[in-house]
Amino acid sequence: AQSVTQLGSHVSVSEGALVLLRCNYSSSVPPYLFWYVQYPNQGLQLLLKYTSAATLVKGINGFEAEFKKSETSFHLTKPSAHMSDAAEYFCAVSTTGTASKLTFGTGTRLQVTL
Amino acid sequence: DTGVSQDPRHKITKRGQNVTFRCDPISEHNRLYWYRQTLGQGPEFLTYFQNEAQLEKSRLLSDRFSAERPKGSFSTLEIQRTEQGDSAMYLCASSTTGTSDYEQYFGPGTRLTVT
Repeated sequence: AQSVTQLGSHVSVSEGALVLLRCNYSSSVPPYLFWYVQYPNQGLQLLLKYTSAATLVKGINGFEAEFKKSETSFHLTKPSAHMSDAAEYFCAVSTTGTASKLTFGTGTRLQVTL
Repeated sequence: DTGVSQDPRHKITKRGQNVTFRCDPISEHNRLYWYRQTLGQGPEFLTYFQNEAQLEKSRLLSDRFSAERPKGSFSTLEIQRTEQGDSAMYLCASSTTGTSDYEQYFGPGTRLTVT
């Protein structure tokens, strides 16, 4: 079985500050890991993915994440927050043995203040 | 390519009525997934198709739910005798097997409200 835990349901940062959204996973086999962003009343957009290549993954909109096997983590970061980053962020895991179905965390709502 | 589309975007129905949602995947994608997202939660897997074959169903998919994908193209999700607990966002995603078989593209979702 696979699972994802996102620490912090709400994170608030000032515009220009570092964004750090935490994700820890559990998987009995090597995982594929994803971060998705969801704006209100919209579907999910893929930010970035880890698929067993480079452990530091760069995505869209200046986001990046680092896969750390020893810590079973895949935290999402962005050096400087922008107002347009305010949204819900979901971490997800899948494995090759599960036909790529995604198991999502409960999400972290990012608020960006002036 | 216009991406994954879903219809309708919003549906309000009375308890006990049947509803049907449609998903059109990206044209070359052979896998299609349905997820359900309730307020404040992450999406939960319901079922998936590879071409026209429904290969897996979650325990969340009660016998009131049925999904089809005739001819391996669009898919429909039907809920019979809707209950208030069925109120949620229903998301469809598609992917392709091969080198990128892990990457799913999501549609905008259908928001169902059962009154």
